[in-house]
This record gives sequence, C-alpha cells and structure tokens, in this order.
Amino acid sequence: NAGVTQTPKFQVLKTGQSMTLQCAQDMNHNSMYWYRQDPGMGLRLIYYSASEGTTDKGEVPNGYNVSRLNKREFSLRLESAAPSQTSVYFCASSVRGYTEAFFGQGTRLTVV
Amino acid sequence: QQQVKQSPQSLIVQKGGISIINCAYENTAFDYFPWYQQFPGKGPALLIAIRPDVSEKKEGRFTISFNKSAKQFSLHIMDSQPGDSATYFCAASNPNSGYSTLTFGKGTMLLVSP
Repeated sequence: NAGVTQTPKFQVLKTGQSMTLQCAQDMNHNSMYWYRQDPGMGLRLIYYSASEGTTDKGEVPNGYNVSRLNKREFSLRLESAAPSQTSVYFCASSVRGYTEAFFGQGTRLTVV
Repeated sequence: QQQVKQSPQSLIVQKGGISIINCAYENTAFDYFPWYQQFPGKGPALLIAIRPDVSEKKEGRFTISFNKSAKQFSLHIMDSQPGDSATYFCAASNPNSGYSTLTFGKGTMLLVSP
C-alpha cells in the first residue's frame, strides 16, 4: 500500500540547473498538490490540480511549473533553480470535500 | 497575509501533562479545520479534524475545541506522552469552493519530556 510516492528523496542542484520532482499516488484521488516546507513557515501551497487536466497556482508559484500527466502523476519542475528554492517539497493527494490529504515522504532539495 | 495564525512556536510539556496549541483564522469561508502531525523526516499525517457545526471533537487523548464567533480553534493533548513529540500544524480549507487546498499555520514543535 504505497500511498503517495515522491522521487527523489534528496537532491543537490547548482544555481541555474533544472530538475523535475516526481509524484505518484495509487489511491485514485482526483486532487493533487505540491507544498514547500521551510523552517518557521509551515507548508505553503505551490500548485495544485483539482482533477486530471487542470492545474492552478497556489500561494508561492513563482519559479515553478507543474504537469498533471494523468490521474496518478503530478510533477513539479524547476526550470532554473535558485538558492531561495532550497526547501523540503511535499506532494499530497485527496478526494474533493471534507477529507484527509495524504502526503508523501518529501524531497529535500538544496540549491547551491 | 497569514490566514491561519498558530501559537506557540514551540512547547515543552512533562509526561502526563496537557499540551495546548492554538490557532486563529481570518477567512470566514473556511469550513474544515484539520490538525496534522509530523515526525522528523516524514510527511504530515492527519491527526484529527473538525467542521464548524460542532464546538468540540474528541478522539482518544486528542481534542479539538472550536469557537466560530472568535474564529479560533485549539488542539488539546491529554496525558501527553514522549511519543507525541512532533511538529503539529493546524490548517483550514473551504471544500465548498470545489477545491480542497489547505492553508497551514506555521507549526508548533512539541517536546514531551519523560
């Protein structure tokens, strides 16, 4: 019972490099989300996808792009990484409504 | 603009004591208030949640108290145990909007001393 799987778990990038964070869920959820977690800042929403084929900006979308590849997969792309994007990134999924969001284990990204 | 304010930032409680974490929100459209628990190196996991049609919800040692008029809600952990040591996040959402995006507080790091 995998739930939400994120890859990679750790990554170090140089400023200006690009990378894609992968996320997949096996719970048949409609909605998927990307959050970033920084010390003392809680979790902030980057982008979300309410359903397959739709994506919307969250609170902190600048410097990121997303793709909802299919119902299972939702990727986050950094086109030109900056030190300010050093963070722990969490993918989550849920059904719509008054229900639980399930989180992955996170990707710890360092941009040097 | 911080829509969900959480306090305290950190909390130390003795084993067997009561841990209390408070949150306040601004957006009256919020209609669902979950609490998440996060252990180091792990993703957050739902602990307990409440809707504003009730003033209190209890699950085992964990209780949410909700005050709609004051736009405040709190988490009480009774008989706190060392295994409760974690970071706790309150959150709010408006599922009626068609989206279930969560707005989180900044978190409270709880340490329960043996």
